[in-house]
Amino acid sequence: ETGVTQTPRHLVMGMTNKKSLKCEQHLGHNAMYWYKQSAKKPLELMFVYNFKEQTENNSVPSRFSPECPNSSHLFLHLHTLQPEDSALYLCASSQATGRDEQYFGPGTRLTVT
Amino acid sequence: ILNVEQSPQSLHVQEGDSTNFTCSFPSSNFYALHWYRWETAKSPEALFVMTLNGDEKKKGRISATLNTKEGYSYLYIKGSQPEDSATYLCASDEFISNFGNEKLTFGTGTRLTIIP
Repeated sequence: ETGVTQTPRHLVMGMTNKKSLKCEQHLGHNAMYWYKQSAKKPLELMFVYNFKEQTENNSVPSRFSPECPNSSHLFLHLHTLQPEDSALYLCASSQATGRDEQYFGPGTRLTVT
Repeated sequence: ILNVEQSPQSLHVQEGDSTNFTCSFPSSNFYALHWYRWETAKSPEALFVMTLNGDEKKKGRISATLNTKEGYSYLYIKGSQPEDSATYLCASDEFISNFGNEKLTFGTGTRLTIIP
């Protein structure tokens, strides 16, 4: 595997379910990101991890819980989501934060019913 | 400018023609300006990261300029080809000194369609 991979690619979940999104990067990068892409809205940064430490949380509701066990893996744990949380969730990585280009995964299309 | 704004929202260009579009961003606390290309059913792909006022970067037929004092960047595509059809995103990275970190804000993108 090369680049940034995400699983699953599609997920349908009920509002009472608990699920997790997984991201893995094979680029030796130190920073990883979670983004949300809703219809007609800009790409929205949710969480940033730099050297496994969370450095940014853009006022994301607590029903989204990130986990970064090492520099190569990033998870987004989901529980009691709302229908408006249906979106494309993208993971990205970069060598460092800020001035380095980001490499994006293919995304997980999430539908909350 | 409080947000990152891109114009136009969408653009149709004849194959072979050149085109350009704009990204406006807050000029205060500027740290970096990113350009990405996002083709349908693919992942966003980095084009440029620009940091210095007056910066000009080029990748093949695509180039970009940066004005950090007035808060805008232009992306130019010369001799458009069908494979250039994509949404072009810019993102402004601001240095948030209070928290010692940065804040990356994306625009809504310019959707470019090349007409064969």
